[in-house]
Amino acid sequence: AQSVTQLGSHVSVSEGALVLLRCNYSSSVPPYLFWYVQYPNQGLQLLLKYTTGATLVKGINGFEAEFKKSETSFHLTKPSAHMSDAAEYFCAVIRTSNTGNQFYFGTGTSLTVIP
Amino acid sequence: DVKVTQSSRYLVKRTGEKVFLECVQDMDHENMFWYRQDPGLGLRLIYFSYDVKMKEKGDIPEGYSVSREKKERFSLILESASTNQTSMYLCASSPRQRITDTQYFGPGTRLTVL
Repeated sequence: AQSVTQLGSHVSVSEGALVLLRCNYSSSVPPYLFWYVQYPNQGLQLLLKYTTGATLVKGINGFEAEFKKSETSFHLTKPSAHMSDAAEYFCAVIRTSNTGNQFYFGTGTSLTVIP
Repeated sequence: DVKVTQSSRYLVKRTGEKVFLECVQDMDHENMFWYRQDPGLGLRLIYFSYDVKMKEKGDIPEGYSVSREKKERFSLILESASTNQTSMYLCASSPRQRITDTQYFGPGTRLTVL
């Protein structure tokens, strides 16, 4: 079963508008949740992560995400989009084992920011 | 800052060639990973290693092998490259101590097999 589902492979927003990227996870996995961003021709960079504690997590570049256990969601938001936010965004979960952690990534959401 | 480097940004090989992709990290991390990234499929784990000379298969190991002779270096080997292995390959590393530690990624190698 898919561990992470990202709804919408492409999202377009106007500059200054709200950014909302959706991520739902399988309820069978522990709720260690991550958002990564990939700028063109670069590797992935951590935006934010939820492990324990406060369910609203703040990350870099003004992004935040809220862990909602009842909805098995971890949606990424930013109040006001900037042109530099155009990138691909990946939601990920951790599956633990005795030998280490495996990350399972969603299929990604490409964000376009329209001037 | 953690630095993960990959030997090539772009690589073009012919079908049947043996291909080596090298990854080096400078933060003494125990865990290292190889992923391939394809449009619409996200990142898929090929192999990972949690210690020197140790390796475990990920979700799509067929057609690949790996080598980890030194802690800082993790190599991905395509024994006989095929066109369906044309992809972006990403290496990552992480420490093992804490369950929630972040993975740090290299810039990727875009491999084209002709």
